[in-house]
Amino acid sequence: EIVLIQSPDFQSVTPKETITITCRASQPIGSSLHWYQQKPDQSPKLLIKYASQSFSGVPSRFSGSGSGTDFTLTINSLEAEDAATYYCHQSNSVPLNFGGGSKVEIK
Amino acid sequence: QVQLVQSGAEVKKPGASVRVSCKASGYTFTSYGVSWVRQAPGQGLEWMGWINVYTGDTNYVQNLQGRVSMTIDTSTSTAYMELRNLRSDDTAVYFCARGVDTSGWAPWDYWGQGTLVTVSS
Repeated sequence: EIVLIQSPDFQSVTPKETITITCRASQPIGSSLHWYQQKPDQSPKLLIKYASQSFSGVPSRFSGSGSGTDFTLTINSLEAEDAATYYCHQSNSVPLNFGGGSKVEIK
Repeated sequence: QVQLVQSGAEVKKPGASVRVSCKASGYTFTSYGVSWVRQAPGQGLEWMGWINVYTGDTNYVQNLQGRVSMTIDTSTSTAYMELRNLRSDDTAVYFCARGVDTSGWAPWDYWGQGTLVTVSS
């Protein structure tokens, strides 16, 4: 089973900052890594698919990179509405699974 | 527009079964796979399994094998997830999610609103 480790677990940031969230896989998964945003009491929303492909309608300040075992989600010029928990998800092999989540708080 | 609308909240006793529905609209139902994901209170996301809506083939996470069934009704564009022999640690919000293609190895681009299942004696 592939294990995904996200870091940091939590960060408190001010608007307009740029932040990165990393996701490390326990074995190579190519580009089969996707990023979701989840706000409290809402369903997850797809941000980035296949490591670096932006999903339709997602603001351009969200970007993804990486391949193999190391992946990064970058949020440029953070806005208040970006307060959420972010999850990475691998679809390389079953069981499909998620990282533990990274919570972003806006000061 | 694409929508996945799930059935309402359920309260069940330990040992009972629950069936959650997920009605799709706004797209060709048989062209995309459907996965089910759950989230225990205050916890992360857990993939439960996937159904190929075109063939009915399924793939379940090992720790739910024997207790979970995923089915579809193409006449109503509805996917179902049944979980049997419920335990207290099955208390969670259950989501259906559409894959970006028919493959089970696809990310999920549209999600239902979630269904809270509470298991309590």
